[in-house]
Amino acid sequence: DAGVIQSPRHEVTEMGQEVTLRCKPISGHDYLFWYRQTMMRGLELLIYFNNNVPIDDSGMPEDRFSAKMPNASFSTLKIQPSEPRDSAVYFCASSRSGSATYEQYFGPGTRLTVT
Amino acid sequence: AQSVSQHNHHVILSEAASLELGCNYSYGGTVNLFWYVQYPGQHLQLLLKYFSGDPLVKGIKGFEAEFIKSKFSFNLRKPSVQWSDTAEYFCAVGGATNKLIFGTGTLLAVQP
Repeated sequence: DAGVIQSPRHEVTEMGQEVTLRCKPISGHDYLFWYRQTMMRGLELLIYFNNNVPIDDSGMPEDRFSAKMPNASFSTLKIQPSEPRDSAVYFCASSRSGSATYEQYFGPGTRLTVT
Repeated sequence: AQSVSQHNHHVILSEAASLELGCNYSYGGTVNLFWYVQYPGQHLQLLLKYFSGDPLVKGIKGFEAEFIKSKFSFNLRKPSVQWSDTAEYFCAVGGATNKLIFGTGTLLAVQP
């Protein structure tokens, strides 16, 4: 299995630009999670989906952030407009319901720098 | 409220020293407990997990953790650390759903 795939791995953009991060979960996994990691705030859960439906988006910082999951094999996290304080590593993770332990598998992350 | 507390934010050890990282949780109902490791520049990887049975869980690379229900704790241990164990370690708790609550992480630096 290829694992969770994220793209791009690195993104540098200017303040005010739109940024789109992409994630492909492990095949057969029906849960998908978006996290943000910074030195100041650690690992934060932004939003998660079950069967392509958003279940909890209470961690999304503000309206500039949006996430979609149009199908079981693809999700996007969009920031519009981007700001320097959005600079962080964004991780996508997936898991499978019905597994005994609900273990999450993480992707390699996207390092976002907003200048 | 559900929460995970990792008391040690930054730990520095010499090679061959013993390691214990604390993790306490607040969670109602049945718990599943995890330790994840993040090596420099890499993503989080599962180190070990507990969901039932023997409260002493053995993971990869010589790590183990003990679930003590009465203390709401799931401390991570390793008898002798190596330089390659330098990483950030995250404790996480979950219940009957797939959502996990992560601690703030402990940065471990092992000096050769």
